Amino acid sequence: AQKVTQAQTEISVVEKEDVTLDCVYETRDTTYYLFWYKQPPSGELVFLIRRNSFDEQNEISGRYSWNFQKSTSSFNFTITASQVVDSAVYFCALSYSGNTPLVFGKGTRLSVIA
Amino acid sequence: GAGVSQSPSNKVTEKGKDVELRCDPISGHTALYWYRQSLGQGLEFLIYFQGNSAPDKSGLPSDRFSAERTGGSVSTLTIQRTQQEDSAVYLCASSYPGLVGAYNEQFFGPGTRLTVL
Repeated sequence: AQKVTQAQTEISVVEKEDVTLDCVYETRDTTYYLFWYKQPPSGELVFLIRRNSFDEQNEISGRYSWNFQKSTSSFNFTITASQVVDSAVYFCALSYSGNTPLVFGKGTRLSVIA
Repeated sequence: GAGVSQSPSNKVTEKGKDVELRCDPISGHTALYWYRQSLGQGLEFLIYFQGNSAPDKSGLPSDRFSAERTGGSVSTLTIQRTQQEDSAVYLCASSYPGLVGAYNEQFFGPGTRLTVL
């Protein structure tokens, strides 16, 4: 069975601090996909990144970066120089192939205080 | 183009009543998913459609829940004899199947917030 664990329920940081959101996953599949979604107060899920299991390269997009480590089954998300607009619930998710349901973690609520 | 739309955006109902939630996927997206977001439970998968067929209904929590899809487009999630524990945000997502084995991103709608009194 697949499982995603986001151990941090809530995190609060002061603006401009860096913050890392943890994600640990479990799967028996050799091919799988990992995701991060952002859910701002408006409620709509916003796709941030997809990573497949064969690509362990870390990725950076502006202030966002992702660290994928198969050895520890982790896919952590770091926001550098956080801003108030980063305040949201962030979900990590797993899928074993295209056109299959996403298995979500329970989310981490990030509050960035000015 | 237009994204995934859901209606109503909010629904308040009394315990024991039936409710219908609607999802309009992105045009051309043959895969459609329903998820539920409950307080403390995170996002849970309910059912997946490919075209009008539902190959995976494993997430439906009870036989009070059912869903259908017609014309390979609009889907309706029906909850009969609603209970207070059904209160949640119901999210719909759609994707275009594309190549076999490739990942096809799911685009989410804004959700329907259901409150059962």
